Amino acid sequence: EVQLVESGGDLVKPGGSLRLSCAASGFTFSNAWMSWVRQAPGKGLEWVGRIKSKTEGGTIDYAAPVKGRFTISRDDSKNTLYLQMNSLKTEDTAVYYCTVPIMGAPCWGQGTLVTVSS
Amino acid sequence: DIVMTQSPDSLAVSLGERATINCKSSQSVLYSSNNKNYLAWYQQKPGQPPKLLIYWASTRESGVPDRFRGGVSGTDFTLTISSLQAEDVAVYFCQQYYSIPYTFGQGTKLEIK
Repeated sequence: EVQLVESGGDLVKPGGSLRLSCAASGFTFSNAWMSWVRQAPGKGLEWVGRIKSKTEGGTIDYAAPVKGRFTISRDDSKNTLYLQMNSLKTEDTAVYYCTVPIMGAPCWGQGTLVTVSS
Repeated sequence: DIVMTQSPDSLAVSLGERATINCKSSQSVLYSSNNKNYLAWYQQKPGQPPKLLIYWASTRESGVPDRFRGGVSGTDFTLTISSLQAEDVAVYFCQQYYSIPYTFGQGTKLEIK
């Protein structure tokens, strides 16, 4: 069974930093293209970024609102995906989900809440 | 970027009746090498993560009741609930995962009439 468990969400002040983790199991993590998606309170869903597998180049792409502030990385030895968030803004307040396509079907974790407020 | 436009924004349907939600992509999301449309439908209830219902535009996720069906005609996609049940009250989203940035429809709120 595929499992994605996000952690690291917290209350942080504007301008601060936070690192989220996503622990994966039930599939071959090293071969997977992993994404982060977020959802602001009461709003729709927004793709944040994606990292390809190392064997396919490990390319990382970001959505425009987070480019230059957020960094996605992966540790295949730990089956873990990361999202380093710097220079946080109030508009980054959201539940952050990690997702992965398994045989064409997107699988999602339960999410972790990040609140950016003074 | 591929723009996903859902309609309607909200929908009220009687129990046992059919509900249809539409999603239009601004360009094709059909991957020619496998002839699959990279389009997914999700159901989201308050306080819960999105639940995958349909992927590849028309493939039902395991465990999803067969009253949920996904359809496609070119760049027009539909999610049909054949006989609405009370537990289907939720917000529904479409998503294209064909090209980055992966984009979502704005959501359709489904209620009981």
